[in-house]
Amino acid sequence: DVKVTQSSRYLVKRTGEKVFLECVQDMDHENMFWYRQDPGLGLRLIYFSYDVKMKEKGDIPEGYSVSREKKERFSLILESASTNQTSMYLCASSWIYNSPLHFGNGTRLTVT
Amino acid sequence: AQSVAQPEDQVNVAEGNPLTVKCTYSVSGNPYLFWYVQYPNRGLQFLLKYITGDNLVKGSYGFEAEFNKSQTSFHLKKPSALVSDSALYFCAVRDGETGANNLFFGTGTRLTVIP
Repeated sequence: DVKVTQSSRYLVKRTGEKVFLECVQDMDHENMFWYRQDPGLGLRLIYFSYDVKMKEKGDIPEGYSVSREKKERFSLILESASTNQTSMYLCASSWIYNSPLHFGNGTRLTVT
Repeated sequence: AQSVAQPEDQVNVAEGNPLTVKCTYSVSGNPYLFWYVQYPNRGLQFLLKYITGDNLVKGSYGFEAEFNKSQTSFHLKKPSALVSDSALYFCAVRDGETGANNLFFGTGTRLTVIP
């Protein structure tokens, strides 16, 4: 069974801090994704990666960056956290183009 | 541009009754459609997908969905609801012609099954 592991379930950070959210998948999936989930807005794509060192912007990339140095790991970076980045962050991976996404359990980030 | 609409924020149904969670979509090319479910404090789990073929798709936990091209809909259904089906349901679409990797999600529908 595919496992997508997000390193933290809950994080509390201060405004201006640099924040790293880590995600690891164990099924050799090509594609990895970062979404944020907000009530009434559903899931919005921040960034995705279809190969090591490759990345593409999603719908809301502003204020975020990503890193994919190894196939199994995809990191989301908030360079300078702001209160409007308080949200649930979901990592996902998929094998090929139309295969289902497998999600981690999410990281609930609070920026104070 | 692709988009997904889930017109109901909340659906309540009595246990044992049939349930329907609605989804309509808009894409420029052929739609690839998905349903996911989210239980409290968990990530999303895949339920079913439509890529091509039979318009009636069967998925996990007894759920099914019907692709209707003329109405641009992909409603999720189950003949007999269980209390354990109570969760947040998301419809998602990808535009098959653009080749984009982006899966566009609806805003979600909270299903409550009343004992």
